[in-house]
Amino acid sequence: ETGVTQSPTHLIKTRGQQVTLRCSSQSGHNTVSWYQQALGQGPQFIFQYYREEENGRGNFPPRFSGLQFPNYSSELNVNALELDDSALYLCASSYWTSGKNEQFFGPGTRLTVL
Amino acid sequence: AQSVTQLGSHVSVSEGALVLLRCNYSSSVPPYLFWYVQYPNQGLQLLLKYTSAATLVKGINGFEAEFKKSETSFHLTKPSAHMSDAAEYFCAVTGTGFQKLVFGTGTRLLVSP
Repeated sequence: ETGVTQSPTHLIKTRGQQVTLRCSSQSGHNTVSWYQQALGQGPQFIFQYYREEENGRGNFPPRFSGLQFPNYSSELNVNALELDDSALYLCASSYWTSGKNEQFFGPGTRLTVL
Repeated sequence: AQSVTQLGSHVSVSEGALVLLRCNYSSSVPPYLFWYVQYPNQGLQLLLKYTSAATLVKGINGFEAEFKKSETSFHLTKPSAHMSDAAEYFCAVTGTGFQKLVFGTGTRLLVSP
């Protein structure tokens, strides 16, 4: 069984640029969530996708957007990067069923904005 | 709204000593509770979860946690610490249905020889 994978591992961008992060869900999972983890903090929920549609969003501005593809892989796009966007971005996949809220996390992408 | 509070940003123990990491939750619906571990430069690994079945939950690596509704707590324990337990530990809560996880700020466990 293949776990959750993310690419790239590390990324350096400059302020104002745009970035795309990618995630491949664990086999059999149909839901993907994205989290931002700033240094020294717990992960913060960005949004979740279920069957290719956004299924919930945290307190993040619209310049954070996402996609989920038919094979349940996903992208996180961030436009107009700001210094505070520097963080570890975590993707988590799960199989949508009530009472089974177990999310499996990938290793993350560390984004540095200069 | 749901939230968790982890008491103590750092906990230090000696190898072989009891590990106790504290987590208190707030939830307007019956909560599902989780403990995750994060090793340096890695993602999150699920240690254990409470989903309204048994209140004493056993997880991986010898960890366990007890759900106490009266105290709104879900503390993580391990009888005997090992050097390999040194990591960051996060408590998280979610409700049924929508699967947004709300995390605490984390507790760094330091294990000395």
